[in-house]
Amino acid sequence: LAKTTQPISMDSYEGQEVNITCSHNNIATNDYITWYQQFPSQGPRFIIQGYKTKVTNEVASLFIPADRKSSTLSLPRVSLSDTAVYYCLVGDSISGSARQLTFGSGTQLTVLP
Amino acid sequence: GAVVSQHPSWVICKSGTSVKIECRSLDFQATTMFWYRQFPKQSLMLMATSNEGSKATYEQGVEKDKFLINHASLTLSTLTVTSAHPEDSSFYICSANEQNQETQYFGPGTRLLVL
Repeated sequence: LAKTTQPISMDSYEGQEVNITCSHNNIATNDYITWYQQFPSQGPRFIIQGYKTKVTNEVASLFIPADRKSSTLSLPRVSLSDTAVYYCLVGDSISGSARQLTFGSGTQLTVLP
Repeated sequence: GAVVSQHPSWVICKSGTSVKIECRSLDFQATTMFWYRQFPKQSLMLMATSNEGSKATYEQGVEKDKFLINHASLTLSTLTVTSAHPEDSSFYICSANEQNQETQYFGPGTRLLVL
């Protein structure tokens, strides 16, 4: 199973851009990179997913270098409500249709006023 | 995105009783669902992989006779905590993929408190 390494915590101020980097040196060829957000006492919420280069959606961007051994989640102009734990996951495939995910420690992002 | 629900959202029970938690994929079919457990201030730990129509696959250290999993249909998996004890108190979360899709969606979680 591919393991991930993220900073344990990060602080930011409202309105700033936040970049959270994740290392996944043992990523396999078929693995996708997925980021989730989790608030206390809630299930993880899907943020963004990518395989290579750059992916952007309405809430975030995901940057993946050519070697795919790391990825960076970029949150533009964070607000207080973005305070949460952010998990970077790399999927391991089971029979090609469902992927077993291994959660690392996650990054506690605290947005300050 | 796809929606996964769980029921109940929280449960309090006496030590020694059994508790059943349901996980449903509301708008898609899932041949595989996953069950996680999360203790306070910790990350999610995968407990088992639930396979529709066959036996679940348990992670090392998870007692299959204590955590019974049934995946009887393509939209429902159940986790039964048998003879629950206070150390089983935790946040239980399920997840599922749409068939042939990469993204895994998580349920809202079930808080279990065993007195």
